[in-house]
Amino acid sequence: TQLLEQSPQFLSIQEGENLTVYCNSSSVFSSLQWYRQEPGEGPVLLVTVVTGGEVKKLKRLTFQFGDARKDSSLHITAAQPGDTGLYLCAGDQSGGYQKVTFGTGTKLQVIP
Amino acid sequence: DAGVIQSPRHEVTEMGQEVTLRCKPISGHDYLFWYRQTMMRGLELLIYFNNNVPIDDSGMPEDRFSAKMPNASFSTLKIQPSEPRDSAVYFCASTTGRGVGRSYEQYFGPGTRLTVT
Repeated sequence: TQLLEQSPQFLSIQEGENLTVYCNSSSVFSSLQWYRQEPGEGPVLLVTVVTGGEVKKLKRLTFQFGDARKDSSLHITAAQPGDTGLYLCAGDQSGGYQKVTFGTGTKLQVIP
Repeated sequence: DAGVIQSPRHEVTEMGQEVTLRCKPISGHDYLFWYRQTMMRGLELLIYFNNNVPIDDSGMPEDRFSAKMPNASFSTLKIQPSEPRDSAVYFCASTTGRGVGRSYEQYFGPGTRLTVT
């Protein structure tokens, strides 16, 4: 059973459109990270959220941690071709270990 | 500051051969992770180290896989003998392990694309 489910799995949109990607779980996480991975490269950290209800913004990207710390969303405003990539969420359940669980991923394609 | 360094970037080998993947973590990072990524299974944690000591190797598929970290700046993942189903991209990542929430932020290398024929 996958601990972190992401939706949608695939998304193809036109440049300038808005989109939201979801990361859901039945488990509570102490913190949650979002990564973007481009073809042929490793995932690159975008943001960490730690507090229930927290909202963080990174230029056109808005990240929100659910109040119960079981889910998160990533909203992109006016998507650009440079936003194309695989978006991964990752959560930790603490316990003193640095092990995190990665989500299933959302593959985004932004068409110019 | 240099990021996580992995070598080789690409490896093509025949079934039955030994494969060694190498990783240099970011200086000062106490944790090192080895992951495998495939289309079917996504990103899977194989093993991770803290201060050069293996902490959790429950993700290592079978005895054909082994990992070592002889010092703070070097780790290897070895597959012997290799099989076609081992074909995947293998990533190394590191983190400081310090700071609430931020201690789980991982910095990934560019990966090694392994093809076993």
